[in-house]
Amino acid sequence: NAGVTQTPKFRILKIGQSMTLQCAQDMNHNYMYWYRQDPGMGLKLIYYSVGAGITDKGEVPNGYNVSRSTTEDFPLRLELAAPSQTSVYFCASSPRGTFSYEQYFGPGTRLTVT
Amino acid sequence: AQSVTQLGSHVSVSEGALVLLRCNYSSSVPPYLFWYVQYPNQGLQLLLKYTTGATLVKGINGFEAEFKKSETSFHLTKPSAHMSDAAEYFCAVSFSTGTASKLTFGTGTRLQVTL
Repeated sequence: NAGVTQTPKFRILKIGQSMTLQCAQDMNHNYMYWYRQDPGMGLKLIYYSVGAGITDKGEVPNGYNVSRSTTEDFPLRLELAAPSQTSVYFCASSPRGTFSYEQYFGPGTRLTVT
Repeated sequence: AQSVTQLGSHVSVSEGALVLLRCNYSSSVPPYLFWYVQYPNQGLQLLLKYTTGATLVKGINGFEAEFKKSETSFHLTKPSAHMSDAAEYFCAVSFSTGTASKLTFGTGTRLQVTL
């Protein structure tokens, strides 16, 4: 199993550009999550999904959109990039949402908006 | 709302010394607690977790943590630090909220191991 994969690893965007961060998992997990990590701030939840077709906002959803058309994929869309979105983005998945299950993380995407 | 506080953003220890990384939480319901480790330029990896049962939890790479309800703490320890332990460590708390549980992370503690 590849686990959770993310592409691209790095990206530089200009202000106002759009892009999609890709996330895929091959563990047949129902639950998937997007986090952003900023220095000294820990990880903040952006969006999450409990299954195909179902998504919900996390702590910091503004400026982002998600979709979940399949169990495997959970892309994160930035419509109008802003410098405040410079961050490292992590995708994670878990087999179900009960709190005893750990989340499995991808390697991250480092995004710079200039 | 639940929250997690990690005391000390940077901790430096000598190789072979005790590692102690502190984590305190607040939660209105019984928490489930996690420690994750992040090596440079990598994603997070689970070290250990507390769900129910024994309050002393053993994890990978010789780490362990003890859940102390009276102190609302879940400190991470390792008797003897190794150079390979240098990384960032995150404490996280979770509880079920309807359809999905979500993790609330602390701000992280960077562990430096010196010769």
